[in-house]
Amino acid sequence: EVQLVESGGGLVQPGRSLKLSCAASGFTFSNYYMAWVRQAPTKGLEWVASITNSGGSTYYRDSVKGRFTISRDNAKSTLYLQMDSLRSEDTATYYCTRDSSYRFAYWGQGTLVTVSS
Amino acid sequence: DVVLTQTLVAQPVRLGDQASISCRSSQSLVHSDGHTYLEWYLQKPGQSPQLLIYEVSNRFSGVPDRFSGSGSGTDFTLTIDPVEADDTATYFCQQSWNDPNTFGAGTKLELK
Repeated sequence: EVQLVESGGGLVQPGRSLKLSCAASGFTFSNYYMAWVRQAPTKGLEWVASITNSGGSTYYRDSVKGRFTISRDNAKSTLYLQMDSLRSEDTATYYCTRDSSYRFAYWGQGTLVTVSS
Repeated sequence: DVVLTQTLVAQPVRLGDQASISCRSSQSLVHSDGHTYLEWYLQKPGQSPQLLIYEVSNRFSGVPDRFSGSGSGTDFTLTIDPVEADDTATYFCQQSWNDPNTFGAGTKLELK
């Protein structure tokens, strides 16, 4: 069974940093692209970033380019999202997903990031 | 960016009836490879989204055949027939035809 378990969310002040992790199991992690998708409170879904299975290429939405970094450790079957220079508009639940050409078939339970002073 | 427009709240339906949820795209989602990259997800209250339908009309693994997708070009419909109590949820469409992939705002399905 595919399982994705996020961690690392919390309350952080504007301008500060936070790093999210996603532990994957139930599939061969190194064979799949992965992605982060977020959902602001009571809002819709928004793709944030994707990474190829090797980690050699990464893709970001414009609003997070230069501030967020997606990475992975295939030996640990873990996906990461380093978030720097956080803004109030980054407040959201962040979901780790398995990415098949931007089709998100498997999702974690999400981790809430709140950016506020 | 491609904008996907959904009605925020669907017409309330009775158990056992048919529900239709629409999604309209600002651009045609037919890719040069011939595929149309329009997906449907459902999100139950307090839960993560779940993939229901991919490429307009293909049910994802384990999805009951009560759920079906149709449409072409810029207009798409998710149909649930018959509706069950557990179908109360918000339904999102998503396009992966163009970068960045985008989601509709979601349609909430309520029962009468």
